[in-house]
Amino acid sequence: AQSVAQPEDQVNVAEGNPLTVKCTYSVSGNPYLFWYVQYPNRGLQFLLKYITGDNLVKGSYGFEAEFNKSQTSFHLKKPSALVSDSALYFCAVRDIPSNTGKLIFGQGTTLQVKP
Amino acid sequence: DGGITQSPKYLFRKEGQNVTLSCEQNLNHDAMYWYRQDPGQGLRLIYYSQIVNDFQKGDIAEGYSVSREKKESFPLTVTSAQKNPTAFYLCASSPSGGAGTEAFFGQGTRLTVV
Repeated sequence: AQSVAQPEDQVNVAEGNPLTVKCTYSVSGNPYLFWYVQYPNRGLQFLLKYITGDNLVKGSYGFEAEFNKSQTSFHLKKPSALVSDSALYFCAVRDIPSNTGKLIFGQGTTLQVKP
Repeated sequence: DGGITQSPKYLFRKEGQNVTLSCEQNLNHDAMYWYRQDPGQGLRLIYYSQIVNDFQKGDIAEGYSVSREKKESFPLTVTSAQKNPTAFYLCASSPSGGAGTEAFFGQGTRLTVV
């Protein structure tokens, strides 16, 4: 079965420092991977995706993610964190075998950036 | 502006009542989804529809019902059979036929049982 794991419930980082939010996946076939961000009481906003090609994917708001096939990981990164980056982050994988188009989400990681 | 509109933003339900959450999109997307979000559990799929007049149960469909009479609209009814309906509900849509296309989400409806 397709699955996604986010091993950290919360990540704390100081403003200006680099940040990493971890995601690992388990899929049959090629992975279609996504990162979303959610602010309190709001919907999910798309940040970036990996379909094929370069392992380093650049997205919105200065975020990027590194796809690593051998480690089955898709970690979200940003070189310099902002306080406004504090939010809930979700990694997701497209459920190809079910042919439903649905996304399977990880549990979410709360990012706290302190001034 | 194109997007997905969910209403209401907050909804209160009494025990034994059915309530309906609205979801409208003007993105011309074929596929629409309803997810339920509970703290620490990520998002779980309730129902999905890949085309008008057709919909399928997701992972946690019990106690919910949907309809898809128009491409733009995918309302979700939370019935009295749903024993623990307090949650944040998210509607999403995506174009069909593309595994690499991202889903777009509405702003959510927070349902509370009183």
